[in-house]
Amino acid sequence: GESVGLHLPTLSVQEGDNSIINCAYSNSASDYFIWYKQESGKGPQFIIDIRSNMDKRQGQRVTVLLNKTVKHLSLQIAATQPGDSAVYFCAELPFGNEKLTFGTGTRLTIIP
Amino acid sequence: DADVTQTPRNRITKTGKRIMLECSQTKGHDRMYWYRQDPGLGLQLIYYSFDVKDINKGEISDGYSVSRQAQAKFSLSLESAIPNQTALYFCATKGTGGRDEKLFFGSGTQLSVL
Repeated sequence: GESVGLHLPTLSVQEGDNSIINCAYSNSASDYFIWYKQESGKGPQFIIDIRSNMDKRQGQRVTVLLNKTVKHLSLQIAATQPGDSAVYFCAELPFGNEKLTFGTGTRLTIIP
Repeated sequence: DADVTQTPRNRITKTGKRIMLECSQTKGHDRMYWYRQDPGLGLQLIYYSFDVKDINKGEISDGYSVSRQAQAKFSLSLESAIPNQTALYFCATKGTGGRDEKLFFGSGTQLSVL
């Protein structure tokens, strides 16, 4: 079946550097994508979203890139800080569907 | 105060016991969801409710039941808990502004079934 997957389960980045978290999706009918951040002991928190009619969207220190040709989504975090250490999930929403499908998550560790 | 509150935060129970996890929200959202999270897996949808009279099964509803007592309250029950139901459970809410409205999550309930 179709699913959302992540390339790397863990990622370690030096504080101050930029990080890139990748996500592959296989449902070509998905037209909305979200990134969530989950810190230890907390529920997932919304970071940024993007619709399929866009290929890039920027927030505060975060950028999401969408490549529909290869069904790839990425989250870029600029100038990482210790508070960025968390598990990051991508999720997709197929057209006509109201239920999100979540990926397995990538654990990002910021090295001081 | 949290917008989406789950109780208890942690629970240890024995196989065969009935257990209820509770969720309440102050966001005024109509839509409420229960998810399960296992290590190394994404969030899996158990049940969801679009309003008090609307309950729907998710991907993994077997062994679970829910009750939407009011707009603000959505509880998840395990009628006879089994060890493979040990997991982290999340309640979430969503408004009705559109299908791409964001989900807001509670802090989770860690359930261990011995």
